[in-house]
Amino acid sequence: KQEVTQIPAALSVPEGENLVLNCSFTDSAIYNLQWFRQDPGKGLTSLLLIQSSQREQTSGRLNASLDKSSGRSTLYIAASQPGDSATYLCAVRSEEYGNKLVFGAGTILRVKS
Amino acid sequence: DADVTQTPRNRITKTGKRIMLECSQTKGHDRMYWYRQDPGLGLRLIYYSFDVKDINKGEISDGYSVSRQAQAKFSLSLESAIPNQTALYFCATSDPLVDTQYFGPGTRLTVL
Repeated sequence: KQEVTQIPAALSVPEGENLVLNCSFTDSAIYNLQWFRQDPGKGLTSLLLIQSSQREQTSGRLNASLDKSSGRSTLYIAASQPGDSATYLCAVRSEEYGNKLVFGAGTILRVKS
Repeated sequence: DADVTQTPRNRITKTGKRIMLECSQTKGHDRMYWYRQDPGLGLRLIYYSFDVKDINKGEISDGYSVSRQAQAKFSLSLESAIPNQTALYFCATSDPLVDTQYFGPGTRLTVL
């Protein structure tokens, strides 16, 4: 059974810091991995999607990497801002579960001004 | 207007009551999903539907039922609510050609 773990569970950093969020998954047979952002009252928004054949994806200050063989992904946020404060969720679409996503519990990020 | 809407946004009910949560989408997607989120846990899939005539159980379907009234509408029902169904419920849609799922704003359900 695919399991997704995110570390740390919560993180508080001063504005301007670069930071890394971690995601690990137990079954490396995945189609892709996504990072989502969750804001209170607004649902989830997809940030980056990495296909299993890719190593990384970048969008603005965000960079996500994927090491499929070791079952790990990282989300790097450069020059963090208070507006980055949110919960970040990692999800994998694995071959075992077809089109369904398996989510991690998330990392709650607070960026202090 | 939001592409995926959920009603109600908040609901407090009592044990044993029947509750329906509704989801509507304007994205034209055939695929729709219901998830629940509990503190400290990731989103878990309750039911999903790949078209109007297709309904499938997810990881945690016990105690829930769904209805796909149209391509744009997917409802989740709790036939007899119990306190451990207190959670945040999300509806989502997806396009089979694009892997991303699009989420509604969520319904916060409290069962007393």
